[in-house]
Amino acid sequence: RKEVEQDPGPFNVPEGATVAFNCTYSNSASQSFFWYRQDCRKEPKLLMSVYSSGNEDGRFTAQLNRASQYISLLIRDSKLSDSATYLCAVTLNTDKLIFGTGTRLQVFP
Amino acid sequence: GAVVSQHPSWVICKSGTSVKIECRSLDFQATTMFWYRQFPKQSLMLMATSNEGSKATYEQGVEKDKFLINHASLTLSTLTVTSAHPEDSSFYICSASGLAGIGTDTQYFGPGTRLTVL
Repeated sequence: RKEVEQDPGPFNVPEGATVAFNCTYSNSASQSFFWYRQDCRKEPKLLMSVYSSGNEDGRFTAQLNRASQYISLLIRDSKLSDSATYLCAVTLNTDKLIFGTGTRLQVFP
Repeated sequence: GAVVSQHPSWVICKSGTSVKIECRSLDFQATTMFWYRQFPKQSLMLMATSNEGSKATYEQGVEKDKFLINHASLTLSTLTVTSAHPEDSSFYICSASGLAGIGTDTQYFGPGTRLTVL
């Protein structure tokens, strides 16, 4: 089983839609959780860290479910510019990031 | 703040040659730098972790004699792909962490270097 798993997608959604991605992790000792956005042929950019209590940044909401070992990302009111690959990442007891393979989102007009 | 640069952004070389990639933290001191590799439609895979002034720690399956890492200062790490072969063609990305006040588990990524070995 992979350490971090994501549905590769693609998720094709119209502008204005709400879309959610999940990411599961296998190691219950995972400590920190992140969502990154990666555009084609570019480096990943940190979208948000994920906290136990859940956190929101504008149209983006991240949740952590330790019992079921998954994190989620909700995007409301999707924009064309949200089209990208969304990578989740976790750390264990070091600052090594373990990435999922990413979920591709395509927002269409 | 938290800008990381990489040079070159892309390189094409002949099989058997060596290629050096530089990773610089421009406005902060990076105690730790990481090197990743990403093949098309795959995730970023950590190759090695380097701390300034000490030897890099390589992930399982990564040949340390083929991928030479030097982290000589708090703002510069280099990755040298020695005797490159076509299967080494990939997107190489570095990241840096260790920003005071932000937390050592936040990594900031360089723009990546696309290596093509002919």
